[in-house]
Amino acid sequence: EAQVTQNPRYLITVTGKKLTVTCSQNMNHEYMSWYRQDPGLGLRQIYYSMNVEVTDKGDVPEGYKVSRKEKRNFPLILESPSPNQTSLYFCASSLIGGRGTEAFFGQGTRLTVV
Amino acid sequence: AQKVTQAQTEISVVEKEDVTLDCVYETRDTTYYLFWYKQPPSGELVFLIRRNSFDEQNEISGRYSWNFQKSTSSFNFTITASQVVDSAVYFCALRNFNKFYFGSGTKLNVKP
Repeated sequence: EAQVTQNPRYLITVTGKKLTVTCSQNMNHEYMSWYRQDPGLGLRQIYYSMNVEVTDKGDVPEGYKVSRKEKRNFPLILESPSPNQTSLYFCASSLIGGRGTEAFFGQGTRLTVV
Repeated sequence: AQKVTQAQTEISVVEKEDVTLDCVYETRDTTYYLFWYKQPPSGELVFLIRRNSFDEQNEISGRYSWNFQKSTSSFNFTITASQVVDSAVYFCALRNFNKFYFGSGTKLNVKP
């Protein structure tokens, strides 16, 4: 089954404790990205990657890091989480162009930083 | 700058009513893609439709229809004869070559 898998689904952590949210896709998509969803703001793109070893900032990259060492994986790293990073996070993948440009989303990770 | 505006924050209708969700976008790109996604109460994001900037044909899929008008930079979504299962948050999104831009979403409440 074609899917994007995020882990964990729920995470409560304390301020300053480094964490990683994993994301993996099995569709051989070149493009992967991370979003955060906050009430009234919709989804905002944090980082995206056009291919292995190619990453770039989205609209809200501060406080986050990513890496793309393999085509299928795109982990999101919070080196020193703060309470304002409490949010619902989504990973997504897609093709680059043509008829497959829609993003396929993971199930989401609800992060609470206390 | 790219931007997607969904001015309707929340809409409530009674089952079987028709409802239109508005989406207005801004972009200077000539090639771009527009999407609608549904987020039911369970939280996942479900892809509904894609349109590219060169394809202004409207589309109907069952009770759903989409009206894309480049002249007004709008990509509106109509649900005919709404049902309780249509209750969800709906997002409109724009993609240029490398980035996605989402609207703030419209919460649709369909009451029995």
